[in-house]
Amino acid sequence: ELKVEQNPLFLSMQEGKNYTIYCNYSTTSDRLYWYRQDPGKSLESLFVLLSNGAVKQEGRLMASLDTKARLSTLHITAAVHDLSATYFCAARPAHPYGGATNKLIFGTGTLLAVQP
Amino acid sequence: DTEVTQTPKHLVMGMTNKKSLKCEQHMGHRAMYWYKQKAKKPPELMFVYSYEKLSINESVPSRFSPECPNSSLLNLHLHALQPEDSALYLCASRAGGLGNYEQYFGPGTRLTVT
Repeated sequence: ELKVEQNPLFLSMQEGKNYTIYCNYSTTSDRLYWYRQDPGKSLESLFVLLSNGAVKQEGRLMASLDTKARLSTLHITAAVHDLSATYFCAARPAHPYGGATNKLIFGTGTLLAVQP
Repeated sequence: DTEVTQTPKHLVMGMTNKKSLKCEQHMGHRAMYWYKQKAKKPPELMFVYSYEKLSINESVPSRFSPECPNSSLLNLHLHALQPEDSALYLCASRAGGLGNYEQYFGPGTRLTVT
């Protein structure tokens, strides 16, 4: 059964500095997703990573995927207060017969707080 | 239009009440999902409908009853809930099939069971 772990669970960041969130998953997955959630709000899709070595960037956020290590990272460059939120990674289990299930398994989430 | 709508935004119900949550999308998506999210926790999958048929039920208690009347609409019928069922209920939709399609989440219904 696929399990997804994130660390750290909480990250207090200083504005202007760089940080990384790590997402490990336990078994084969064919897609890795990153979402952002503001307090009391829904989930906003940030990135979908499809294959080994995939890298995607949007503004100060960059996500990468290493399928051999079963690891995805979300790198934050020069943090700003607007990035304060909870970030979730989610992996989609690969079906045993080569297809894919319809479900996502979410990581525990990382609460980011950017301090001035 | 990449929007998933959910009604109501907030719902307070007693343990003997019957109520329903509604989710709607007009993106032509053929997979729709219900998730439950407790405070400071990740979303937990409850049900998946694929082409209007229930494809995944994550061993959810029968006091939660999903319904997919058509490809745009997903309901969650609630009956005899417990206080521990209080949570944010999120609906999501996806284009369907085995391709690389994102799940689009609705704003959620904040449910309180008294």
